[in-house]
This record gives sequence, structure tokens and C-alpha cells, in this order.
Amino acid sequence: RKEVEQDPGPFNVPEGATVAFNCTYSNSASQSFFWYRQDCRKEPKLLMSVYSSGNEDGRFTAQLNRASQYISLLIRDSKLSDSATYLCVVIFSGGYNKLIFGAGTRLAVHP
Amino acid sequence: NAGVMQNPRHLVRRRGQEARLRCSPMKGHSHVYWYRQLPEEGLKFMVYLQKENIIDESGMPKERFSAEFPKEGPSILRIQQVVRGDSAAYFCASSEGGASGNTIYFGEGSWLTVV
Repeated sequence: RKEVEQDPGPFNVPEGATVAFNCTYSNSASQSFFWYRQDCRKEPKLLMSVYSSGNEDGRFTAQLNRASQYISLLIRDSKLSDSATYLCVVIFSGGYNKLIFGAGTRLAVHP
Repeated sequence: NAGVMQNPRHLVRRRGQEARLRCSPMKGHSHVYWYRQLPEEGLKFMVYLQKENIIDESGMPKERFSAEFPKEGPSILRIQQVVRGDSAAYFCASSEGGASGNTIYFGEGSWLTVV
């Protein structure tokens, strides 16, 4: 079983749509959670951290469910510029900053 | 304040040659991480280094791959006798501290193509 699993997509949605991605992780002792965005042939960039209480940044909302070991990302009012691969990232407990990446979910927003 | 600098950005090597990828962390950062991304896959952790020390190399292939982060100069990821399967994007990242909670910054990556 992969340490971090995501639906690879692609998700093809029209502008203005709401789209949700889920991610599951295998290690119940995981301590930190993030969503990164990666454009084609570019480095991953931190989109947002994910907290148990949930957090929102503009059109983006992230949720963490520790009991079920899954993380979600909701994008409202999709823009063409949201087209990218979204990477679910986990840090397992162990004392240092070792990021474990999911394979990513591709989003394509069309006019 | 320059970000994480990687070079070369693109590298083409013939099978059997050596590839050297360099990474200069952000100013003030002494923790460096290397990740590999194969086509259509996510990033995979390779190695975590501090100055002059390898802390965790659990993601490094057992043969042909080595990494260093000397007291002076950039971190180097070295791949000897490259094979076609080594073709990938290699990302370096750095952080000020090693504990989780320290933000990690990624370089733009080095794309290795083995022909």
C-alpha cells in the first residue's frame, strides 16, 4: 500500500465549477499535512497547510480527518489558472522534515 | 535573497556516463533534501543532508547514487554509470532547520535525460 494515495484524475471541469480532491495516508502517526501545486515541468509550490480544524484560503478549503486518515482540498469557482497537478503531502512523525508526496491529481479547467 | 538554486537545469547524458547535479540552498539554510520525480509520478524522497553529514539516505538507490553537502559549496547529487531509468526530474529543497514546522523551499529542478 502506498504511504500517500491520490486519485490521479484528470479532473476536467468548466470554469466556475467546484472540485474536490481526496487523499489518504497510511501512517496514523503522521503529524503534518499539506497541499502543494505543481505546474508542468516546474517545482512543487506550497498551496496550503492542512489542520484538523480545517482551513480556508480564498477559494481553497482544506480539511483533515485523522480518524479516517484522509485529507481533502476543495476549490470553488475554478479558474483556468487553477489547471495544475495537486500534490498531497504528509510528514510522518519522526522528528524531521521528510515530506512524503502522493502521486498527484491532475486538474484541467476549461472555458 | 536568492532561492534554492539548482544547476544544470537540463542535462543530457549517454548511458554509462556520470551525472552531477548541484544545489545551493537558500542563504542561511543548512538542511538539504533531494527528491526524484519520474515521469507521471510523484516526488520520491532520496536523501537528507546537513553540512558534512548524511542524515537519512533511505530513499537512495543502493548503487551508483551518492550525495554530499560539503562544508563549503553546494550539495552534489552524483549518479554514476547512468541508465535510461535514471531519466527524471531531480529536485533539491532546503530549510533553515530540520524539524517539521520549518518551511521547505524547492529549487526549480534539474531534468536529466539519458540517451
